[in-house]
Amino acid sequence: AQSVTQLDSQVPVFEEAPVELRCNYSSSVSVYLFWYVQYPNQGLQLLLKYLSGSTLVKGINGFEAEFNKSQTSFHLRKPSVHISDTAEYFCAVSSIKAAGNKLTFGGGTRVLVKP
Amino acid sequence: DSGVTQTPKHLITATGQRVTLRCSPRSGDLSVYWYQQSLDQGLQFLIQYYNGEERAKGNILERFSAQQFPDLHSELNLSSLELGDSALYFCASSVALAGAFEQFFGPGTRLTVL
Repeated sequence: AQSVTQLDSQVPVFEEAPVELRCNYSSSVSVYLFWYVQYPNQGLQLLLKYLSGSTLVKGINGFEAEFNKSQTSFHLRKPSVHISDTAEYFCAVSSIKAAGNKLTFGGGTRVLVKP
Repeated sequence: DSGVTQTPKHLITATGQRVTLRCSPRSGDLSVYWYQQSLDQGLQFLIQYYNGEERAKGNILERFSAQQFPDLHSELNLSSLELGDSALYFCASSVALAGAFEQFFGPGTRLTVL
């Protein structure tokens, strides 16, 4: 079984400032790691994913995340946020060896970008 | 637009009733997933179908059932509804059964049980 913990439920940040969203996971098996974004009144959209290889993963809209196996973390960063980045962000994992492909999500981090 | 469609967008019903939520996956996607998003439980996986067959099950209540039809659209049936079933229900689709293929999410159906 897997579990995902997002350490911050809300993160207020000023426009053009950097932001980091923290994610820790627990799993008895190897996992793939994902970050999804949910804009108000919309479904989820994939920002980036880590499968293997380089621990620094670049995604859409200027986001990047770093996988740290020893700390079982997958933190998301953006060097300079825009008002349009106001959304809820979800970290998720799926088991590499599972028969299906279910995603286990963290509780989400709501980012509010202030002008 | 993810290419995944869900109907209806909103559904208001009473306790004890039964409803059906419908999902059409992206063209070419064989896997369909259902997720429930609620304030107290967060985003939870319910069930996955692949090419018409159930392939993975999460914490789906016995009052809930789903199926995937030959044209690959899927329906989630919720019966004997309770107040606690009020939530946003998402459908997602992906091309494959497993692996790290992206799941594309629909806009969701917001269910309100009164």
